[in-house]
Amino acid sequence: QSVLTQPPSVSGAPGQRVTISCTGGDSNIGARYDVHWYQQLPGTAPKLLIYGNNNRPSGVPDRISGSKSGTSASLAITGLRAADEADYYCQSYDSSLSAVVFGGGTKLTVL
Amino acid sequence: QVQLIQSGAEVKKPGTSVKVSCKASGYTFSSYGIIWVRQAPGQGLEWLGWIAPYSGSTNFEQKFQDRITMTKDTSTSTAYMELGSLRSDDTAVYYCARGISPTHGFDMWGQGTMVTVSS
Repeated sequence: QSVLTQPPSVSGAPGQRVTISCTGGDSNIGARYDVHWYQQLPGTAPKLLIYGNNNRPSGVPDRISGSKSGTSASLAITGLRAADEADYYCQSYDSSLSAVVFGGGTKLTVL
Repeated sequence: QVQLIQSGAEVKKPGTSVKVSCKASGYTFSSYGIIWVRQAPGQGLEWLGWIAPYSGSTNFEQKFQDRITMTKDTSTSTAYMELGSLRSDDTAVYYCARGISPTHGFDMWGQGTMVTVSS
């Protein structure tokens, strides 16, 4: 059972917009710890997609965005492409556990 | 360029230990900490622990505290993670990644090391 809760799967057609939610609690996201997002393509290491809630590392396109409100965060991908098909993970820090925490991951399928 | 290169795949017997290395290049090793994360087959990411820059202090996921060690050798820019008392459910891909602190994102990851625990 992950500390951060994500939907197991989401899907969308090419060109559409999808969002992935990440719900935490008062000791992590709600405690104002930043949320970060990773993309993991099959058989590869995770790649940082969004850091500090809504910042994109160099090379990540602006059709990918992040937001945070209260005890939740979201990742949005617009203009879906087949290459976006991957697993996506949110990550934060939990002060009660003194631990880095991950969401359980969301599999994005491009129809 | 910035890289983290991990040691190769390991096959271990239950009850033994494994030591995975993570060699950094392309940046000032002592300015960043290293986290270790594992991923069992078909499962999500699980945090194991963190070793801080400069001080080398560590903190671990509670469930691993009695059987995990994390060290670093600044002279070779290499971090190490050793997990003991291996069980079959420790079979996973083990990743290292760099970060400024445990509350920040981790912007560079190693390629992963497959550890298989089998009798």
